[in-house]
Amino acid sequence: EAQVTQNPRYLITVTGKKLTVTCSQNMNHEYMSWYRQDPGLGLRQIYYSMNVEVTDKGDVPEGYKVSRKEKRNFPLILESPSPNQTSLYFCASSFNPGGTEAFFGQGTRLTVV
Amino acid sequence: GQQVMQIPQYQHVQEGEDFTTYCNSSTTLSNIQWYKQRPGGHPVFLIQLVKSGEVKKQKRLTIQVGEAKKNSSLHITATQTTDVGTYFCAGPKGGSYIPTFGRGTSLIVHP
Repeated sequence: EAQVTQNPRYLITVTGKKLTVTCSQNMNHEYMSWYRQDPGLGLRQIYYSMNVEVTDKGDVPEGYKVSRKEKRNFPLILESPSPNQTSLYFCASSFNPGGTEAFFGQGTRLTVV
Repeated sequence: GQQVMQIPQYQHVQEGEDFTTYCNSSTTLSNIQWYKQRPGGHPVFLIQLVKSGEVKKQKRLTIQVGEAKKNSSLHITATQTTDVGTYFCAGPKGGSYIPTFGRGTSLIVHP
């Protein structure tokens, strides 16, 4: 079954404690992306990757890092989380960015206290 | 910032009424995609339009794009409670092919 898998689904952490949200897809997609969703603001892109070792900033990259060492995985790293990073995060992948449908993960609800 | 604007932000309807959400861009979009996100769920792809003036229909859903490919609309006829959710449009940012999402329209259907 074609899918994008994110882990964890829920996470509560404290300010400053590094965390990683994993994302994996089984469709051999080259394009992967991270979004955060906040009430009234829709889906805002954090980072995206066009292929292995190729990443670029989206609209709201501050406070986040990503890596793309393998085609299937695209982890999101928060080196020093802050309360304003409390949000719902989605990973997505597609064969062709913007030209073919994007598949989204189930989402990770992060709370930073 | 986001270059794709959606209105309205919320829409309450009685079951059986029609619903329309609008998507507008300041620049011509090479294509427009629509997604639906159920409450507590993740966005799921609905449809994509590529050609100017294109109209696509799926059961009670009608999606169209303007001749200049700067605006699009999604229309649901005779809403049902299963239509509840947030509808997003997405299109490539000006000068690139990276998709940007509108803020979405949340549809609330009252039985």
